[in-house]
Amino acid sequence: AQTVTQSQPEMSVQEAETVTLSCTYDTSESNYYLFWYKQPPSRQMILVIRQEAYKQQNATENRFSVNFQKAAKSFSLKISDSQLGDTAMYFCAFMKPDLRGGNEKLTFGTGTRLTIIP
Amino acid sequence: GAVVSQHPSRVICKSGTSVKIECRSLDFQATTMFWYRQFPKQSLMLMATSNEGSKATYEQGVEKDKFLINHASLTLSTLTVTSAHPEDSSFYICSASLRASGANVLTFGAGSRLTVL
Repeated sequence: AQTVTQSQPEMSVQEAETVTLSCTYDTSESNYYLFWYKQPPSRQMILVIRQEAYKQQNATENRFSVNFQKAAKSFSLKISDSQLGDTAMYFCAFMKPDLRGGNEKLTFGTGTRLTIIP
Repeated sequence: GAVVSQHPSRVICKSGTSVKIECRSLDFQATTMFWYRQFPKQSLMLMATSNEGSKATYEQGVEKDKFLINHASLTLSTLTVTSAHPEDSSFYICSASLRASGANVLTFGAGSRLTVL
């Protein structure tokens, strides 16, 4: 079974600064996907970024980027130029591909509550 | 983009009654939908995997007779909490599977807050 660990229950950073959220995982799989989801106060889960394990290049989406270290099973999220709207719970998640398609489950970490301070 | 609609967003019911929550994929067909439960300040816990036209697959520890899941069409899955009790009060979230660039991306509904009095 896969496990996902987020060791930072809460973090806060000044607006416009850069913050890094950590995530480690444990799996015996060689091919998988990793995700960061954001859950703002509205409780709507929003996909921030995803990474395919077979790709060495770190994924980037505008101000969001990841540092994927496969050997270390680490998948941190860096938010640059943080904005007030980035305040949310952030969940790291693991997905094992299903060759038949459609039954891929997400295993979530416990989350990091990020607060951007004006 | 893919949108998943979840209804109702909030529901309050009396103990012993049943509550149905709907999850619809609005602009795509979802052969698989997932139901999660989230307690305050905690993570999402997968309850069951719902496949169109077949029985749902429940995670260990989830009572299938308590949480009835029906996936009658490619765009609709329902979760019915039967004989609800206060301990069933929680935030329930559904998600639907959408293939994109070789990886299934899950699109989430906005969630349903259930309060059992």
